[in-house]
Amino acid sequence: GAVVSQHPSWVICKSGTSVKIECRSLDFQATTMFWYRQFPKQSLMLMATSNEGSKATYEQGVEKDKFLINHASLTLSTLTVTSAHPEDSSFYICSEVGGLDWKQGYTFGSGTRLTVV
Amino acid sequence: DAKTTQPPSMDCAEGRAANLPCNHSTISGNEYVYWYRQIHSQGPQYIIHGLKNNETNEMASLIITEDRKSSTLILPHATLRDTAVYYCIVSSGGSNYKLTFGKGTLLTVNP
Repeated sequence: GAVVSQHPSWVICKSGTSVKIECRSLDFQATTMFWYRQFPKQSLMLMATSNEGSKATYEQGVEKDKFLINHASLTLSTLTVTSAHPEDSSFYICSEVGGLDWKQGYTFGSGTRLTVV
Repeated sequence: DAKTTQPPSMDCAEGRAANLPCNHSTISGNEYVYWYRQIHSQGPQYIIHGLKNNETNEMASLIITEDRKSSTLILPHATLRDTAVYYCIVSSGGSNYKLTFGKGTLLTVNP
């Protein structure tokens, strides 16, 4: 099946700095990547949809200038949390359609635990 | 998308079958029922999906009622590694379709 590699798995950063999270599709070309955020004991919340070669689409309430998404190639999508603050501490997860057949389910990255101190 | 309702938590003894219910009474004719699970601190994992027929794969079985208003995910022989949050999601699909996650069911498999 499709594989999505997400890095780093965890990161601790100081307040005010920026953090980049990468998601790579290893065995197919992902034209669309979804980015989720998950706070402790809560469900996944969709943040944005990134499409290769075009601007990302953000969900209501998500600051596009704070969460920069780049999907410059068919195998790499990145999420940069700019000027991070403690309230941005969360579990960030990417996903995409599982290969060529969306009916086979979506493939998720392993997640990135961000802690802002 | 149709909304789903799942119990917040369930327990199961190791080696026994785990039956996880999901209600989706407003499901429409072109919507599939998907099941994902999320083991603690990992990304979700696809389990199985179905439209109206029962489905089985190497991980689980999916039983969908005839009126399609509810379904049950069955893990035939639960192991400790099956402890996770299980999400039932209804989706009409498509390659760019956004999944909406509810709160899911926390299944705890006990030794």
